[in-house]
Amino acid sequence: AQSVTQLDSHVSVSEGTPVLLRCNYSSSYSPSLFWYVQHPNKGLQLLLKYTSAATLVKGINGFEAEFKKSETSFHLTKPSAHMSDAAEYFCVVGGSYIPTFGRGTSLIVHP
Amino acid sequence: DAMVIQNPRYQVTQFGKPVTLSCSQTLNHNVMYWYQQKSSQAPKLLFHYYDKDFNNEADTPDNFQSRRPNTSFCFLDIRSPGLGDAAMYLCATSKSPGLAGGPVEQFFGPGTRLTVL
Repeated sequence: AQSVTQLDSHVSVSEGTPVLLRCNYSSSYSPSLFWYVQHPNKGLQLLLKYTSAATLVKGINGFEAEFKKSETSFHLTKPSAHMSDAAEYFCVVGGSYIPTFGRGTSLIVHP
Repeated sequence: DAMVIQNPRYQVTQFGKPVTLSCSQTLNHNVMYWYQQKSSQAPKLLFHYYDKDFNNEADTPDNFQSRRPNTSFCFLDIRSPGLGDAAMYLCATSKSPGLAGGPVEQFFGPGTRLTVL
């Protein structure tokens, strides 16, 4: 069985400040983990994925995430937010081809 | 570019009038998924195809049906749309994990926004 918890439904930051979107997972086996971004009225785009090769994963648009097994976490970070980062972010766990989605975190970026 | 295409992007139908949404892919992936996403919610899996094998989620209403005539195409049929079926419908594809397992990345289409009047 697997599950994923996104700890914040909304995160609000100012442009140029760091972003932290939190995700905790539960999996009975070695998980595969993903972060997707969804802009309004668009499909989901993959930001990054954890493949077990490295615990620090770099993605597109300056995002990265760190896999911490001891904390069962896979938090998404970015050093400096941009207005275009405003979107919905989904943390996904999948050990097979049927993934489990978190509820999503809405990132709000203020000028 | 290889991609997942959904048509139409916006669909308006009347209460009770059947509607079909389509999805095509050029990725040659053997798994295709249909998700329903309502406002400010995570996508909810309706069903998926693993090759020709159809897998229905337990809580998917009978009102929703699907067809996959070949590897590239998949259709979502809503037999009698109700007001509660208004949502974004997302199609996604993936490879199967294979014998070695490992992460299976999903590729999403842009979605079809369904409005029910």
